[in-house]
Amino acid sequence: GAGVSQSPSNKVTEKGKDVELRCDPISGHTALYWYRQSLGQGLEFLIYFQGNSAPDKSGLPSDRFSAERTGGSVSTLTIQRTQQEDSAVYLCASRQGTSGANTGELFFGEGSRLTVL
Amino acid sequence: KNQVEQSPQSLIILEGKNCTLQCNYTVSPFSNLRWYKQDTGRGPVSLTIMTFSENTKSNGRYTATLDADTKQSSLHITASQLSDSASYICVVSAKGAGTASKLTFGTGTRLQVTL
Repeated sequence: GAGVSQSPSNKVTEKGKDVELRCDPISGHTALYWYRQSLGQGLEFLIYFQGNSAPDKSGLPSDRFSAERTGGSVSTLTIQRTQQEDSAVYLCASRQGTSGANTGELFFGEGSRLTVL
Repeated sequence: KNQVEQSPQSLIILEGKNCTLQCNYTVSPFSNLRWYKQDTGRGPVSLTIMTFSENTKSNGRYTATLDADTKQSSLHITASQLSDSASYICVVSAKGAGTASKLTFGTGTRLQVTL
């Protein structure tokens, strides 16, 4: 597709349920990021994938959060046993590879708004 | 610790007026600084990138400046329009191996342009 696509755009779930959020990056982009944005807050880094390298999971807030990227393209962020504090917008971004200068622009999706009741 | 601080936190201006948003950072070693615009309910979109050697860069009515010595950047918006209402986020990248994931985001300045 022309841009980063995320689904669902909105998800309402009950506390304790598992949710899966999907990100389809721009074709050819090898770097993929997941961020969380709570209401009125800045972006919080969750996880980073680069090609076939081991992902940087240092931002995941707990072991209830996990993500995978199959075939170097589509990524899924899974939140198990959701809690009310997980309510936020989850943003995915992709970038065309990486370099020591890290000058590449991040292209963001529209986000998935998660509400945990 | 790498940090990015933005000011003001929020700003209301009249249509047609100019404004300047500030970004101070402590990221080291510095690679580049980007300003992103985030419309409500949308993902951020890059406005401009500043590298170490660049002092000023314009993108239409947006002009970014960078002072690498004082580690400050500003985003100046000229002749504001209602469509400029958004959050403006300053993002600083470090240089070196293993830093691709270590982008440092500011919390943004929320700008509202009114009639």
